[in-house]
Amino acid sequence: GQSLEQPSEVTAVEGAIVQINCTYQTSGFYGLSWYQQHDGGAPTFLSYNGLDGLEETGRFSSFLSRSDSYGYLLLQELQMKDSASYFCAVRDNYGQNFVFGPGTRLSVLP
Amino acid sequence: DTGVSQDPRHKITKRGQNVTFRCDPISEHNRLYWYRQTLGQGPEFLTYFQNEAQLEKSRLLSDRFSAERPKGSFSTLEIQRTEQGDSAMYLCASSLGEGGGYTFGSGTRLTVV
Repeated sequence: GQSLEQPSEVTAVEGAIVQINCTYQTSGFYGLSWYQQHDGGAPTFLSYNGLDGLEETGRFSSFLSRSDSYGYLLLQELQMKDSASYFCAVRDNYGQNFVFGPGTRLSVLP
Repeated sequence: DTGVSQDPRHKITKRGQNVTFRCDPISEHNRLYWYRQTLGQGPEFLTYFQNEAQLEKSRLLSDRFSAERPKGSFSTLEIQRTEQGDSAMYLCASSLGEGGGYTFGSGTRLTVV
């Protein structure tokens, strides 16, 4: 089977840096993605890690360690509009679909 | 390119009725996915098409659910004999190849009363 774990909630202030962790257990591994979802909106793709290391896209970075079955999303210079739910998603070797984690609700305070 | 479109946005139906949802993916995307999401949870995989072929179907998908993608373009998801437990947001996504990111539509919110 497959399971993903994320913290349920994270709170930070504007301008701060926050890290959202994701650990996974899958029968195989073929990549880790991150999505942002605002209340009432559709999930929006943020980043993808197929190999170990750090991927940077503007204020957002994502990291993967396949040996530790672990990844994280790093959000810098937090803004109020970053308040949303963030989901990690893993694709195993045996299917083409991504399995999503339970999500982390980020609240950015002024 | 207007992204992934889903219709209707909202559907309220009585228990036992059949419902059908439509998804129009990004035109050049060959892969199409259906997910279901309930409040406070992550999207849950239902089924996946590559072009017109349905390649994977979740074990969670009962026989009351069926999906088609007749010409490898738009897709429909039908739920027969709806139950209150079917109430959820039904999300469609598409992608090109095996790239890491999906483009999701805004979803169809189903309420079974």
